[in-house]
Amino acid sequence: DSGVTQTPKHLITATGQRVTLRCSPRSGDLSVYWYQQSLDQGLQFLIQYYNGEERAKGNILERFSAQQFPDLHSELNLSSLELGDSALYFCARSCMLTEAFFGQGTRLTVV
Amino acid sequence: AQSVTQLDSHVSVSEGTPVLLRCNYSSSYSPSLFWYVQHPNKGLQLLLKYTSAATLVKGINGFEAEFKKSETSFHLTKPSAHMSDAAEYFCVVTGSGGYQKVTFGTGTKLQVIP
Repeated sequence: DSGVTQTPKHLITATGQRVTLRCSPRSGDLSVYWYQQSLDQGLQFLIQYYNGEERAKGNILERFSAQQFPDLHSELNLSSLELGDSALYFCARSCMLTEAFFGQGTRLTVV
Repeated sequence: AQSVTQLDSHVSVSEGTPVLLRCNYSSSYSPSLFWYVQHPNKGLQLLLKYTSAATLVKGINGFEAEFKKSETSFHLTKPSAHMSDAAEYFCVVTGSGGYQKVTFGTGTKLQVIP
């Protein structure tokens, strides 16, 4: 158990909709990283927050955004959903630069 | 720039035989290297990591990997496969910037035949 909790575990929604994925911290974790895992693109880094501030951006679409709140939990917002957004979304938490702890992921299905 | 190549997308072994999952990397920095395992419908679990200490790294569940700088490789091995090892394995490299510069390999699916 990584101690990182992601909710919901599964989400099915229609094209054009907006969803919010949540990642809850382990104690002391200041960083959060979001990843998308799809069949055709593999695992891709989306975005990183550190102590509430955006630290790095990867291959994140403009329709996607993230936040990290004062209690350090994070949300990934996906809007104007398309079929191709169907994927497994992971968050990872870390209090050390040399390791990260991954949540179990949220499986998003866009129909 | 950094990259990681997992040389086999699928590996099939018989139970009780050795496992070899191959990973080559390139990095402009002194890299940190990791292997993660993902069981079906599960999250990613850290198997082991290399962070410039001992070049032979032992991980969980009997896995180990050897960092070979001259060959830019970080292959994952296990002496004897178990049915529970069937999963997908990801080789990961990070640079000096920490996880914001993380690069994942495309994954190797390990099948274990009884």
